Amino acid sequence: SQQGEEDPQALSIQEGENATMNCSYKTSINNLQWYRQNSGRGLVHLILIRSNEREKHSGRLRVTLDTSKKSSSLLITASRAADTASYFCATDDQMDSSYKLIFGSGTRLLVRP
Amino acid sequence: GAGVSQTPSNKVTEKGKYVELRCDPISGHTALYWYRQSLGQGPEFLIYFQGTGAADDSGLPNDRFFAVRPEGSVSTLKIQRTERGDSAVYLCASSQRTDSYNEQFFGPGTRLTVL
Repeated sequence: SQQGEEDPQALSIQEGENATMNCSYKTSINNLQWYRQNSGRGLVHLILIRSNEREKHSGRLRVTLDTSKKSSSLLITASRAADTASYFCATDDQMDSSYKLIFGSGTRLLVRP
Repeated sequence: GAGVSQTPSNKVTEKGKYVELRCDPISGHTALYWYRQSLGQGPEFLIYFQGTGAADDSGLPNDRFFAVRPEGSVSTLKIQRTERGDSAVYLCASSQRTDSYNEQFFGPGTRLTVL
């Protein structure tokens, strides 16, 4: 079963606008990671945020984490057509020593030129 | 440096056949994971190797699925008596760390189609 749920399932915006995606999860975690996937193939690691962090930035990406609500958000600022992809959040389970990732079903982002 | 590589990129087989999917992790990464992704879904965990041993195989769907990593580097996922429901993209990931800051890097995947 999948741990996370992403919201919205699909998002269409104009180039230059900001895109916000949300993720909820169920268990206590060590960290939460965001990935991008183009055309249903390999996942590109975007950012990892630890459970004791509340916000993290990387370039045009901003990730927040609220462990009390078991939720995270990914903000992409000044979007570009090249940002068109599916975005997944993934968490581990704090009780699981294998640190395997549990993914949500993803948000499909379309950035219109 | 080189990332995770997977071969073949595409595999088409007939129902009932045996297939092997290969994963070359990033050099020096001791942790290796296999995931399976069906269309429109997020990846789902299959098996985890720490070194040569399968430390967690709880995600393997049944005994037709098996994976090895004999020298602690390259891994092979083996599927016997393939079924149409096995069609999916099989993803491999590796990680340098085996603690809670486990950042996993994924390969491009193998798209398996069972006719």
